[in-house]
Amino acid sequence: QSALTQPASVSGSPGQSITISCTGTSSDVGGYNYVSWYQQHPGKAPKLIIYDVGNRPSGVSNRFSGSKSGNTASLTISGLQAEDEADYYCSSYTSSSTRVFGGGTKVTVL
Amino acid sequence: EVQLVESGGGLVQPGGSLRLSCAASGFTFSSYSMNWVRQAPGKGLEWVSYIVSSSSTIYYADSVKGRFTTSRDNAKNSLYLQMNSLRAEDTAVYYCATPSGNSGYGFEYWGQGTLVTVSS
Repeated sequence: QSALTQPASVSGSPGQSITISCTGTSSDVGGYNYVSWYQQHPGKAPKLIIYDVGNRPSGVSNRFSGSKSGNTASLTISGLQAEDEADYYCSSYTSSSTRVFGGGTKVTVL
Repeated sequence: EVQLVESGGGLVQPGGSLRLSCAASGFTFSSYSMNWVRQAPGKGLEWVSYIVSSSSTIYYADSVKGRFTTSRDNAKNSLYLQMNSLRAEDTAVYYCATPSGNSGYGFEYWGQGTLVTVSS
């Protein structure tokens, strides 16, 4: 159950777009369209922002989008805003019927 | 409105036991699988366990297998995590979470978490 690989940090200026990658294996990310993404502000519980690779829950801004290619999933935040500064985590279903998270990415708005 | 409220956290010595609870409301608890996820101080999220609605199937992370037991009481709309043989590395905020839409393999609603500290 190795954690998925995410960059430790990503930064961008307001209005820009940034992309966070999430790399796994054919036993998790590459094998299923069950990747989800979470936003977590300090001291708060995580919030689901993308599920099943590219679906947004009701109420989540359309500035957040998800995709997948092979063993790597990606989260793109367009029109970056100050409120987007947070930690972001990916998660995937695995061939063992378990779930696995990425190590997390700190997004900084410059 | 979906609400999940965890309780039962606290300070426990290494080797000790603790039972966490998660009280659910605002949805038909008995129809949904549930998850436990934890987060060590200053660290990332770690999936802990998953239980189907009927309790017939339960999965655990390797890090807790054999030490932790997940259960639920659908009549009480409650989820539990019995933690035995606790180690310092089990120190974390523990969250209960509902499955996400469609596939159910993500985590849609989260509680506020309960802190477990394992220390002598």
